[in-house]
Amino acid sequence: DAGVIQSPRHEVTEMGQEVTLRCKPISGHDYLFWYRQTMMRGLELLIYFNNNVPIDDSGMPEDRFSAKMPNASFSTLKIQPSEPRDSAVYFCASSRSDRGTSNYGYTFGSGTRLTVV
Amino acid sequence: LAKTTQPISMDSYEGQEVNITCSHNNIATNDYITWYQQFPSQGPRFIIQGYKTKVTNEVASLFIPADRKSSTLSLPRVSLSDTAVYYCLVGELNDMRFGAGTRLTVKP
Repeated sequence: DAGVIQSPRHEVTEMGQEVTLRCKPISGHDYLFWYRQTMMRGLELLIYFNNNVPIDDSGMPEDRFSAKMPNASFSTLKIQPSEPRDSAVYFCASSRSDRGTSNYGYTFGSGTRLTVV
Repeated sequence: LAKTTQPISMDSYEGQEVNITCSHNNIATNDYITWYQQFPSQGPRFIIQGYKTKVTNEVASLFIPADRKSSTLSLPRVSLSDTAVYYCLVGELNDMRFGAGTRLTVKP
C-alpha cells in the first residue's frame, strides 16, 4: 500500500494565482481529511468527507478555499486567489469507519508545502 | 468537542520511560482518545487509541482512568529517534481536532 499520496510536495506561487493541491487516499478508506499546519496555528482541520460527501467544512478559512472529492480515490483543495497568509503545509489524511480494526487511526500524507509570495 | 491540555515540552534521556499526560475534562460519552506522533517535515503518525482503562501495543501504552478526564501516554525506554511532537486528540472517531502537542526531546 502506497499510503496517502499528495501532490505536489512543494508549491511556490505568486499572490493572486490559483493553487490546486491533490490527494489520493488509501484504497478502501471512506473518510478523507484536509488539514493545514502553521507555526502560529498548529494543525487545523479544514474539511472532511465521508463517502465523497463533505461533512464539515467549518474549518475552511474563507470563500477563497474550496475542496472537492469527485470519487473515492481523489480529492482536491483549491485556493483562488492565493494570498501570502495561505503559506503553510497542507496535509491530507484518510481513515476507515470500520471499527473492527485494532489499529484505527488517520493515515496522513507527506504534505504539500505551499509558499505564496 | 473536548478541549485537551498537555505540557508544551518535556525532556528525557535515552532508555528512560516517558509519560505524557493529557487533560480532557469535558470528554463526551462518544469520544475516544487518540495519540499521534509528528516528526519535522512529516505528517502525524497514529500511535495508539483507547476509550477506557488500558491499551497497549508494540509502541506504547495508554492509561485512561475511570472518569476519563485525563489520559497518559507511556513510551517505554525511549531513544533519540523518539524526539518528536506528541498530540493528544479527543473526539468521535472521525472528527478529531489537534491541540498544541507536547514537544519531547530525548537526550543521549
